[in-house]
Amino acid sequence: GQNIDQPTEMTATEGAIVQINCTYQTSGFNGLFWYQQHAGEAPTFLSYNVLDGLEEKGRFSSFLSRSKGYSYLLLKELQMKDSASYLCAVRPFGGATNKLIFGTGTLLAVQP
Amino acid sequence: EAGVAQSPRYKIIEKRQSVAFWCNPISGHATLYWYQQILGQGPKLLIQFQNNGVVDDSQLPKDRFSAERLKGVDSTLKIQPAKLEDSAVYLCASSLVAGGYNSPLHFGNGTRLTVT
Repeated sequence: GQNIDQPTEMTATEGAIVQINCTYQTSGFNGLFWYQQHAGEAPTFLSYNVLDGLEEKGRFSSFLSRSKGYSYLLLKELQMKDSASYLCAVRPFGGATNKLIFGTGTLLAVQP
Repeated sequence: EAGVAQSPRYKIIEKRQSVAFWCNPISGHATLYWYQQILGQGPKLLIQFQNNGVVDDSQLPKDRFSAERLKGVDSTLKIQPAKLEDSAVYLCASSLVAGGYNSPLHFGNGTRLTVT
C-alpha cells in the first residue's frame, strides 16, 4: 500500500527557518516531490529528490533519506508570502505509470 | 509557455445532475492527469492518460465518472449523476515525458465543484 504522512499545520515567524517533515511507505520509489499550494490556486513544483541528501534552491532546500522513508522541506528567511500548504508527493512507479501520490499537505502560517 | 488551462473555474450543481470539466494541457505534454482534491486533503489521482490511451483509472468511480482525451490533447471529465461527496476541486495536470522520473506535474488552477 501507499502511505504518506505530514503534519497538518505549522506556524512560524517571518524571517525564521521552518522544517516540514514527510514520511512515506510506498510499494516502489522513483523520487519524491515537494509542491507549494496557495489557497484557491494550483500546486506549483518546488523540488525533486531521488538520491539521498540535500538539494538546495535559493531559500528552499529538500532532504531525502531513502532508507528511512523520510524527507523534509526547509524554508529559510521566511516571508509572509510563504504562507501556503506544502504537499509531499512520491512517485512509486516508473514508465508510463509515473503518477504522483500526495500526502494531505502541511498548512504553514507565517506570522509577523 | 502557456500553462495548463481548465474551465469552468467554479461550478455549482444539485445532486443527481451531471457536470463536465475541460482541460487543455501544456503543448507537447503527452501525459495528462485528473486529480480530485477534497478540502483539507491532498490531491488524489482519478485517471492518467498517455496520449489518448488510459494508463491508470484504478481510483475512478466508473459508475458515475468518465473521462476522455480525444486526439491526445484536450480532455474532459464528466460526473453523472453527481453526489454530495463529489464536492471538491478537480485538478488537471500534465507532464512532459512518461518515464522521465524527474518530470514534475504541472497543474491547472482547477475547477471548484459544489454539489448541493
